[in-house]
Amino acid sequence: KNEVEQSPQNLTAQEGEFITINCSYSVGISALHWLQQHPGGGIVSLFMLSSGKKKHGRLIATINIQEKHSSLHITASHPRDSAVYICAVSPNSGGSNYKLTFGKGTLLTVNP
Amino acid sequence: GAVVSQHPSRVICKSGTSVKIECRSLDFQATTMFWYRQFPKQSLMLMATSNEGSKATYEQGVEKDKFLINHASLTLSTLTVTSAHPEDSSFYICSARETVYNEQFFGPGTRLTVL
Repeated sequence: KNEVEQSPQNLTAQEGEFITINCSYSVGISALHWLQQHPGGGIVSLFMLSSGKKKHGRLIATINIQEKHSSLHITASHPRDSAVYICAVSPNSGGSNYKLTFGKGTLLTVNP
Repeated sequence: GAVVSQHPSRVICKSGTSVKIECRSLDFQATTMFWYRQFPKQSLMLMATSNEGSKATYEQGVEKDKFLINHASLTLSTLTVTSAHPEDSSFYICSARETVYNEQFFGPGTRLTVL
């Protein structure tokens, strides 16, 4: 079982829909990251969370440390949001040197 | 926001040659940088952790003599793929950790094709 599990693996939505991507992890963490990877490969760091909730534009990320769960929400989705969204955690183990453990990603396709 | 650059963005080389990829943090100092490899439709795989002024730490199964890493300054790490072979063709991505909030920022990646 992977330490970081994302769901769904694939998600197709219509423009304007509210989207939720989930991430569950099984280890203690110091931080959780949400990343976006567009076709062509470049990765953008969307959020780094250690508690609570963060918002940036149409994106909202929440984390529940007790339940070891995080969600990424996209409001008023747009075709340009189509990308792979990756959840990654920094395990809270001594000497980890901030190495990230990645989920397998969620491929989001937003149709016009 | 913090910016990490990689150069080149794309390289095609002949089998047996060496290729150097640069990773720079443009507006912050990074004592730690990470090198990843990503094959098509797969997740990022950590290759090594690069620490400024010291030897890199390689993940299990990654040949340190084949993938040479140098982190000579607080803003630059290089990955050299020596004697490249077609199976080394991949997407190589670096990230840099800023030391105030320990957030990682990713470079745009380098696509290596070995003929």
